[in-house]
Amino acid sequence: NAGVTQTPKFQVLKTGQSMTLQCAQDMNHEYMSWYRQDPGMGLRLIHYSVGAGITDQGEVPNGYNVSRSTTEDFPLRLLSAAPSQTSVYFCASRGSRETQYFGPGTRLLVL
Amino acid sequence: GEDVEQSLFLSVREGDSSVINCTYTDSSSTYLYWYKQEPGAGLQLLTYIFSNMDMKQDQRLTVLLNKKDKHLSLRIADTQTGDSAIYFCAEKGYQKVTFGTGTKLQVIP
Repeated sequence: NAGVTQTPKFQVLKTGQSMTLQCAQDMNHEYMSWYRQDPGMGLRLIHYSVGAGITDQGEVPNGYNVSRSTTEDFPLRLLSAAPSQTSVYFCASRGSRETQYFGPGTRLLVL
Repeated sequence: GEDVEQSLFLSVREGDSSVINCTYTDSSSTYLYWYKQEPGAGLQLLTYIFSNMDMKQDQRLTVLLNKKDKHLSLRIADTQTGDSAIYFCAEKGYQKVTFGTGTKLQVIP
């Protein structure tokens, strides 16, 4: 049982490049979410999903897309990276017991 | 929207008790959480409390909830240097979990 996994751990992008941050969980959790963490601002919710085929926007969705084709995977796409998207990104999943598990994070630098 | 607030920094001496405070605005919160984040790591769930409880104790950790004032606190007894980390308060509303800005706990040997 690997829990929540994220890839890559680190990434450097140039402005305008696109990329996908991968997230997977093996706990059969319906709820998954993406957060970004910036100094002094805590964690802010980007997008979330309550099950396969269902996604919704969080607090800071602009510049990010998500999809949820399977229960296990919840990728986050940056279509045209901007320096303001430099951050640490965390994926999380939550099951019926209301405990939320976080992945180890992806550190993204946009130049 | 929902808001969760915490002080940014707390410094305590090793062996003393630490109390980290949090306030929230969502009156429909169902669960409230405390997470710990060590440098360069992800978030680790420490404990959580259901909104109809007012206290929960788990070894050195005591969570107090004042639902009327929407105030949550985490007390760490006999604080150790290994407790140095950022502590996040979070609340779960209808579907989303909202996090505070985190409190950095510094433990002085």
